[in-house]
Amino acid sequence: DTAVSQTPKYLVTQMGNDKSIKCEQNLGHDTMYWYKQDSKKFLKIMFSYNNKELIINETVPNRFSPKSPDKAHLNLHINSLELGDSAVYFCASSQGLGLVSYNEQFFGPGTRLTVL
Amino acid sequence: QKEVEQNSGPLSVPEGAIASLNCTYSDRGSQSFFWYRQYSGKSPELIMSIYSNGDKEDGRFTAQLNKASQYVSLLIRDSQPSDSATYLCAVTPHSNDYKLSFGAGTTVTVRA
Repeated sequence: DTAVSQTPKYLVTQMGNDKSIKCEQNLGHDTMYWYKQDSKKFLKIMFSYNNKELIINETVPNRFSPKSPDKAHLNLHINSLELGDSAVYFCASSQGLGLVSYNEQFFGPGTRLTVL
Repeated sequence: QKEVEQNSGPLSVPEGAIASLNCTYSDRGSQSFFWYRQYSGKSPELIMSIYSNGDKEDGRFTAQLNKASQYVSLLIRDSQPSDSATYLCAVTPHSNDYKLSFGAGTTVTVRA
């Protein structure tokens, strides 16, 4: 199946821990994204990479660090987890530069992070 | 002013009726507009994209764009219980072709 996949689907951890979420897409897209969806369901962009280059870096605590080893993978590492980090994190991808339609973004299934 | 605003829900419509969802955006230079559907506990799913003024129809869905009024809407005809979900309006701002700014969403419930 061509898709955006994320692991793990659920992540429950204690405050102060460090955790990572992985994302992979096999759509052949050049651009990948991390979004955070809070308890009020508001979806907000965090980071974006185009061909392994960081192109969007919103106002996010520097405890969050994205890494893109290649254009099909984008991981999110979170240090010193806090209660307020509890949310659903979605990975997405889009085709990339060029026509406006290249920004049609396709989302992974999400990772529900709960910090206790 | 929020970048993307949607009419507050929830919106409840009877089965077979038309559900009308509205969205306004603040960046006059925006070029790309999208509607996503999100079922509870699931990820957003792209259902419509529109780039030029006017209407775009896809099955029971019609997106309408009016750039002069900075307004985009989604009509769902012959609403079905399976259309019950949160609908997210998303806009690409002029300043960044990669970024999608989302509205807070409108929750639609279709009553059988």
